[in-house]
Amino acid sequence: TQLLEQSPQFLSIQEGENLTVYCNSSSVFSSLQWYRQEPGEGPVLLVTVVTGGEVKKLKRLTFQFGDARKDSSLHITAAQPGDTGLYLCAGDWSNDYKLSFGAGTTVTVRA
Amino acid sequence: KAGVTQTPRYLIKTRGQQVTLSCSPISGHRSVSWYQQTPGQGLQFLFEYFSETQRNKGNFPGRFSGRQFSNSRSEMNVSTLELGDSALYLCASSLGYEAFFGQGTRLTVV
Repeated sequence: TQLLEQSPQFLSIQEGENLTVYCNSSSVFSSLQWYRQEPGEGPVLLVTVVTGGEVKKLKRLTFQFGDARKDSSLHITAAQPGDTGLYLCAGDWSNDYKLSFGAGTTVTVRA
Repeated sequence: KAGVTQTPRYLIKTRGQQVTLSCSPISGHRSVSWYQQTPGQGLQFLFEYFSETQRNKGNFPGRFSGRQFSNSRSEMNVSTLELGDSALYLCASSLGYEAFFGQGTRLTVV
């Protein structure tokens, strides 16, 4: 069974600060997605990475995929209260039509 | 373009009853997956359907079942409900490896 570890579990920061969330696995990902979820809603896809070493930017969010395709990070610059939510990484290891999710990182940005 | 639609949004059922949840995928998406989300276990994969065929199944008891229709709409059924089945049930549709989720159905078993 492949495991996907996400850290930290909780993150509380002041508006304007930066933060980084990590996602790790012992196996190589075929693809990896990052989602953001608000309470009572479904996860919303932020980005997909598939190539080792890939870096993608979405406004103040930067996503990095490790060279070996076993880890990824999400960095938020100058966080705002609207960035508050549960951030989830999800991996597909063998193109077997299912995603395995990390436990998530609950991010709270205080005004 | 309409997103993934799940109905109903909320359900309250009694132990021992059965329930059916519905999911309409994004137009053109033929793959539909179901996930259970609980505070203790996070998001767990239930099953995935493509062109009316189940291609993969998670580690859930046989009380959890699903099906997909020719128009790609999907239903999942849970029989003999237990208190532990209380969760947010999420449906996702896919065209490739990216999954797009609906808002979920909040099931409460009392």
